[in-house]
Amino acid sequence: GAGVSQSPSNKVTEKGKDVELRCDPISGHTALYWYRQSLGQGLEFLIYFQGNSAPDKSGLPSDRFSAERTGGSVSTLTIQRTQQEDSAVYLCASSLTGRRSYNSPLHFGNGTRLTVT
Amino acid sequence: AQSVAQPEDQVNVAEGNPLTVKCTYSVSGNPYLFWYVQYPNRGLQFLLKYITGDNLVKGSYGFEAEFNKSQTSFHLKKPSALVSDSALYFCAVRDMNNNAGNMLTFGGGTRLMVKP
Repeated sequence: GAGVSQSPSNKVTEKGKDVELRCDPISGHTALYWYRQSLGQGLEFLIYFQGNSAPDKSGLPSDRFSAERTGGSVSTLTIQRTQQEDSAVYLCASSLTGRRSYNSPLHFGNGTRLTVT
Repeated sequence: AQSVAQPEDQVNVAEGNPLTVKCTYSVSGNPYLFWYVQYPNRGLQFLLKYITGDNLVKGSYGFEAEFNKSQTSFHLKKPSALVSDSALYFCAVRDMNNNAGNMLTFGGGTRLMVKP
């Protein structure tokens, strides 16, 4: 597709269960970002990938959160032993990188709405 | 460190009137500034950006923003608001000194309500 694709669009899970969220970036975009948006709030940075490596993991809120990216494309964000405070919309974005990338906007997916009951 | 402040949680304006959504920023180097809009149950959509050049930047849907270096502001404006402009608006900044690629730091968002 032409845009960033995220799945599932909605996920309801029980407290203590593990969840996996998927992001398929725009073809050719080597940079990939995960943000979290709590209800009606701003965006909280989670992690950034350049290719398959993650030079910045500073935003991951706890060791229950992890992310990987394989083949420089699809990324998965995994939350283990989910807690109610993990409920939020998880947004993925991708962008170009390289010498002229600093003025390239991020392209966002529609997000995954996670509800932990 | 870079940061963005959007001092208004919500802005109310009547259709046809001009609108302004405020944004101020803080960076150690040169700022690259962006505005995004978010409609319900959707991701963020890029509206416009300031990199260099003219302080008045024009973007999508008739929006524009004015970069003011002395006031470290980048307010979003539109001469005549539409009901369909009602959405959540985010200002974002990137500092050239930031090592995290072109990671953006976002403000807390401002909800724009345009009433008929």
